[in-house]
Order: sequence, then structure tokens, then C-alpha cells
Amino acid sequence: SQKIEQNSEALNIQEGKTATLTCNYTNYSPAYLQWYRQDPGRGPVFLLLIRENEKEKRKERLKVTFDTTLKQSLFHITASQPADSATYLCALDTGRRALTFGSGTRLQVQP
Amino acid sequence: GAGVSQSPSNKVTEKGKDVELRCDPISGHTALYWYRQSLGQGLEFLIYFQGNSAPDKSGLPSDRFSAERTGGSVSTLTIQRTQQEDSAVYLCASSLESSGSYGEQFFGPGTRLTVL
Repeated sequence: SQKIEQNSEALNIQEGKTATLTCNYTNYSPAYLQWYRQDPGRGPVFLLLIRENEKEKRKERLKVTFDTTLKQSLFHITASQPADSATYLCALDTGRRALTFGSGTRLQVQP
Repeated sequence: GAGVSQSPSNKVTEKGKDVELRCDPISGHTALYWYRQSLGQGLEFLIYFQGNSAPDKSGLPSDRFSAERTGGSVSTLTIQRTQQEDSAVYLCASSLESSGSYGEQFFGPGTRLTVL
């Protein structure tokens, strides 16, 4: 079965820097990959989707890359702000409707 | 517009009791999903509905878990004879079928279930 690895340790960065989060998967390359943000006590909120034939996708200060050779996606937040502090989840298409989620990486942006 | 709503927001129950968790998806969303999230863990898929039918029940952890959806809208997740390991946050999500399997999922706030 597909395994997803996200760094379980929190990522602490200074305001204004670029945060980079990693999502690695172990088996087949999914048709697409999604990133979600989750705040404490709330459900995940969709941020970006990238398809297997896309190398990069951008949305405002967010950028996602998808490398099917490395079996990895990188999620970047440029000019980070304290309000970006949250847990970020990577989710993969499994060939069926439901997504397989990673356990997430907690980002803390220090003012 | 209204998002996905879930009720109750919190549920504390005693081991062995049955519980029902409710999900109201976004109007017009034909796909509905249930996940659960244990403390510090990722989301674990439970079941998916397309309309009122459940083509994928593979994530249900045991036969104590069941779910139904009526009228292509509201869904209920039932856990019978609850066990302490059932304690988790149960999340519901919905998506537009027209988006196919590429659609973003819209999540509710979850129901926090605690089994004593």
C-alpha cells in the first residue's frame, strides 16, 4: 500500500523566510497530489493540487513541486508570516476516490 | 454559503455504548467521505459515498462501524459497542462529482469522540 512520509518534527522559521515542507511517497506515483492546511480543532482546508504531468504549481505565496522520479513533492511558502503557522498535510490520489493523507508537518513562523 | 457541518462537535460516551455521528455536506456535492484522525496522526480513510451508495467501504476498521447516506445528502456514521481505541476526531468531507477524482475535498470541523 502507498506510504506517505512527512517530517513529523515541527519546522520553526523566522517571519519573512521561505518555508519548505517535504512529502515523500513510497510506491506508485499518484495521478495527482494535494496539499491541505489544518489549524488546531478544525478540519483540513484545501490549498493546492498538482497533477503528475505538472512539475510546478503556484498560488500567491505558495508553490508546489512534484517530482515523480524522486517520488517527492515540495511545498514552499515564501515571505512567511506568523499567520501561516499551522499543520500542512500532503494527500495522494490512491486510484480510488478517497485520498491517502500524510501525518502532516507543523509549521511555526516566529515574528 | 454554508460549508460542511458535523454534529455533535464533541461526544463523550462509555465503553460499549453505540454512537451516531452526523454530517451535512455542501449542497450539490454528490461525493461524501468519512475519515478519522487520532491525536498527532494523519487522516485515516473510512468510507466514501457516491450519491447514496458506498462503492468503497474498505477503510471501515471493523463490523462495529457502519454508515449510511440518505437523499444524496446527510450521512450518519454509527459505531456500535464503542471501544476506547475508537476515540478520535471523525471528519467528514464532500466534493463535487463533476470534478472527478481530482476535486478538492471540503471538510467539516469534525466530531471529537471520547470513549471512557
